[in-house]
Amino acid sequence: AQSVAQPEDQVNVAEGNPLTVKCTYSVSGNPYLFWYVQYPNRGLQFLLKYITGDNLVKGSYGFEAEFNKSQTSFHLKKPSALVSDSALYFCAVILGRGKLIFGQGTELSVKP
Amino acid sequence: DVKVTQSSRYLVKRTGEKVFLECVQDMDHENMFWYRQDPGLGLRLIYFSYDVKMKEKGDIPEGYSVSREKKERFSLILESASTNQTSMYLCASSPPRQGSYGYTFGSGTRLTVV
Repeated sequence: AQSVAQPEDQVNVAEGNPLTVKCTYSVSGNPYLFWYVQYPNRGLQFLLKYITGDNLVKGSYGFEAEFNKSQTSFHLKKPSALVSDSALYFCAVILGRGKLIFGQGTELSVKP
Repeated sequence: DVKVTQSSRYLVKRTGEKVFLECVQDMDHENMFWYRQDPGLGLRLIYFSYDVKMKEKGDIPEGYSVSREKKERFSLILESASTNQTSMYLCASSPPRQGSYGYTFGSGTRLTVV
């Protein structure tokens, strides 16, 4: 079955340190991959996407993600974490006809 | 500012009630989606629609139905609410072109069935 997985329920990082939130996918063909963020009691906000081209994608709020086809991964990264980055992060992939499916979500906690 | 609006932020309903969750978008998007969000399970697709009067089942359609009579409005219906349908429900819309990042989400409706 086509799917996307986030192996970590929670990631804890100290402010100023780099952060990585992991995502792996299992889809046929070339994947269209996304990262979304959800702040408490809010809807999902788009961070970045990979469709084709450069494997390193830059997005909102200083986030970036690296597409790795051989490892079927699309990890979200930021060089220096902020306390305000604390939120729930979702990786997603588009299946046929624009249907978006999500990973389980990873809660990022950034401590001062 | 373009948006997806969900009519209720919080709802409390009784077991067995028929429940309507409404979603309206002002972007003239063809595609609309209903997800439910539960801790540890992420977002799971309930139903989606590619056009007026068209609908397709997602991954967890049991106990739900949908209605799309107008392009801008997509309603989720719980025919007979049960406690296991207590959840956060998120509506989204997008243009039809695959690969577009134009998925816009509503703020969600937190439904509690008692």
